[in-house]
This record gives sequence, C-alpha cells and structure tokens, in this order.
Amino acid sequence: DSGVTQTPKHLITATGQRVTLRCSPRSGDLSVYWYQQSLDQGLQFLIQYYNGEERAKGNILERFSAQQFPDLHSELNLSSLELGDSALYFCASSASGTSGRQYFGPGTRLTVT
Amino acid sequence: QKEVEQDPGPLSVPEGAIVSLNCTYSNSAFQYFMWYRQYSRKGPELLMYTYSSGNKEDGRFTAQVDKSSKYISLFIRDSQPSDSATYLCAMSQYNNNDMRFGAGTRLTVKP
Repeated sequence: DSGVTQTPKHLITATGQRVTLRCSPRSGDLSVYWYQQSLDQGLQFLIQYYNGEERAKGNILERFSAQQFPDLHSELNLSSLELGDSALYFCASSASGTSGRQYFGPGTRLTVT
Repeated sequence: QKEVEQDPGPLSVPEGAIVSLNCTYSNSAFQYFMWYRQYSRKGPELLMYTYSSGNKEDGRFTAQVDKSSKYISLFIRDSQPSDSATYLCAMSQYNNNDMRFGAGTRLTVKP
C-alpha cells in the first residue's frame, strides 16, 4: 500500500458528461501528479500541483482541469467526455516539488459509453 | 522516434532466471531514472530510483544507468513467479516534473 488513495475505483458514464476523480496524497507529501494510462498511449503525465499551486503541465486536454485543496487532496475534473477518454487515471504524490520519487495510488478506471 | 523506448515484450522466463529489462532514451537532459513495477489493474510501484549514471542494488534488483549510451537497465536475479508484472522505466530532467515513461515490458516468471 503506497499510502495514496483514490476514489472512486470505477466510473462508468456517458459521452458528454462530466466526472470528478479524487486523490489523497501520502501523509506529508506536498506534490500531487495526475496520469492517464491507456492501452495505446501508455502512461501519460497530465498535471502536477505542489502545495496548492499548479507546478507543471503535461499532455492535459483543455476539457480536463485539476486543483489541489488546502488539505492537499486533489481533484481531476473531466468534462465533455469522449469515448477516447476511457482509461485508467492515476494519482501519484511526492514529498518535494520535483518529480523524484513518486508513489502511485490504485487508480480510477473510467469507462465512457 | 519516442523519447523513451522500451520493448513491450512479452518476456517469459523460468523461475530462478536472471531477467534483464532495458530502455533507451533520446533526451540527454534526463537526470533521474526510475523503474516501476505494475501488477495487473494496480498502480505502478516504485522499485528503483537513481540519479545520473552508475549502478544501484537493492536485494535481487540492480539498476544500471549509462548516460553516455542513453541506456538504462534493470536486472532481476533469482526471479520468482511473484515478479510477474509489467515493468516501466521512467525518467525526468533536473527540476522538471514531466516524467516520461516507457511503454512497459510485460514479464512472466514460470514456476
């Protein structure tokens, strides 16, 4: 157990809808990272927050957004969902603001029908 | 050409064998090199973390980084069926948080 928690485990929704994925980092970790893992694209970095502020952006679509709250948990919002958004979404956390050692949560499996 | 190349396998070995997993990369600015293990439908688990070139050993696992060749390796000695998983290499630049992953190599260790 990495200490990173993610909810929900599974999410099934329809095209055009909006969903929110939640992540709680390991105790003491200030950075939260979001990743998307699909069969054809592998593991792709989406965005990082450090102590409440956006620190780095990767291949995140404009339909996706994230935030980190004062208690350091983070939410990833996916809107106008398309079939191609079906994937595993992972959250990871690290103690520092640089990528270094990241610890991954169990993931949320999103299915868009 | 992808920034990080990793043979997806699958790789199948008998129990007790030495396993060699490799990645090549094109960005010479990468400074941090990691190996993650991912069991089916689970989150990646950090196995090895190295900075710059050199070797690092942890139990049955040895990570090697050759920056001059842009080549990293993970060796697993005395492989066990419980080592059956997908192994992902990952790397990032100094102070850059955009970590790049390889495609992952699926390993099966047969009893």
